Amino acid sequence: QKEVEQNSGPLSVPEGAIASLNCTYSDRGSQSFFWYRQYSGKSPELIMFIYSNGDKEDGRFTAQLNKASQYVSLLIRDSQPSDSATYLCAVMSNTGKLIFGQGTTLQVKP
Amino acid sequence: EPEVTQTPSHQVTQMGQEVILRCVPISNHLYFYWYRQILGQKVEFLVSFYNNEISEKSEIFDDQFSVERPDGSNFTLKIRSTKLEDSAMYFCASSGGGPAGEQDTQYFGPGTRLTVL
Repeated sequence: QKEVEQNSGPLSVPEGAIASLNCTYSDRGSQSFFWYRQYSGKSPELIMFIYSNGDKEDGRFTAQLNKASQYVSLLIRDSQPSDSATYLCAVMSNTGKLIFGQGTTLQVKP
Repeated sequence: EPEVTQTPSHQVTQMGQEVILRCVPISNHLYFYWYRQILGQKVEFLVSFYNNEISEKSEIFDDQFSVERPDGSNFTLKIRSTKLEDSAMYFCASSGGGPAGEQDTQYFGPGTRLTVL
């Protein structure tokens, strides 16, 4: 069974701090990785995708991928209260479906 | 900006009844998906659809479920005889029409909350 694991949290950070969210996956052959944000009662909203080892930056967000360690992370710089949500890590299988982790709840305190 | 739409936003039904959940994917996308999320649980894959046929289905997607693309824009999920455990948020997603490097990205609709009584 291919798995994606995330710490469910909550992860609490003060406003302006860096939030670090982590994800591990079991399928060593995975090539495509996604971070989605989900507010309570809403649908997943794409934040970033990453395919290559290393860092990918988009505004306040940086995704990091280490395929050797089967590890994906998301850093949120200058965290805002509006960033408070559940962050979903998703890994694409070789058939194209997304396998989601449980999600990490982030709380940014003003 | 193009987006995936879903109707209805909330559907309440009696156990044993049939429901049809509707989705309009992003217009130039080629791949369509249904996922569901039971309250408090992770998002789970149900089925993928390409070129007018099912590409893959999960163990959840049993004979009670079917999908259809009746015209060039709609994509539907039918549950023939609903059970209590079918209560969940159902999300439609689509992909495959973006620039190179983004073609794998799945964009999700707002979801339909299905409540089975």
